[in-house]
Amino acid sequence: DQQVKQNSPSLSVQEGRISILNCDYTNSMFDYFLWYKKYPAEGPTFLISISSIKDKNEDGRFTVFLNKSAKHLSLHIVPSQPGDSAVYFCAASVLNSGYALNFGKGTSLLVTP
Amino acid sequence: DTEVTQTPKHLVMGMTNKKSLKCEQHMGHRAMYWYKQKAKKPPELMFVYSYEKLSINESVPSRFSPECPNSSLLNLHLHALQPEDSALYLCASSQIGQGLIGLHFGSGTRLTVV
Repeated sequence: DQQVKQNSPSLSVQEGRISILNCDYTNSMFDYFLWYKKYPAEGPTFLISISSIKDKNEDGRFTVFLNKSAKHLSLHIVPSQPGDSAVYFCAASVLNSGYALNFGKGTSLLVTP
Repeated sequence: DTEVTQTPKHLVMGMTNKKSLKCEQHMGHRAMYWYKQKAKKPPELMFVYSYEKLSINESVPSRFSPECPNSSLLNLHLHALQPEDSALYLCASSQIGQGLIGLHFGSGTRLTVV
């Protein structure tokens, strides 16, 4: 049973524009959310996170928004760069659960020049 | 050194073989993890070690046997695997208490069971 869903397997965006990657979750106990980025032949790399007590967290070009009532979060990348082309995984957890991350299936982002 | 190093990168093994996957980190992290990822699926947690002791086993079959000989090393011993165990096996590490923030992944071992 997939508790974290990324319904768009792929996304193509022009360089300089905004990339918006979406993620939905079903478990209302989740209170910590993360985004990981994965290049081919490499392991996932932590990108940005947000706690359920916040609705927005920003780090440079990356901003994560959390809508708890809708059980939805999104990752915004502005401006998008070709080097951002990768697979992005959304992950969620219950902070007291002992480091168990529930991952979405990932969205493959392609940023074209 | 901010890397998690996994060896080998690729492994092909028969169903009667015994092999081991190795993971090493020198970041001083005291939590280490094994994840399994099948094609077009998200990573699935298998095991968590905290302070070299097994703290989480996600109902993984006994043909997978983890070992944490010291705080820098994590092994996954494989025996009598099935073809459906073919997957990418990812090792990760983190500081205790910052596991969710500071999870550092290795590049993985691509395992094929024939």
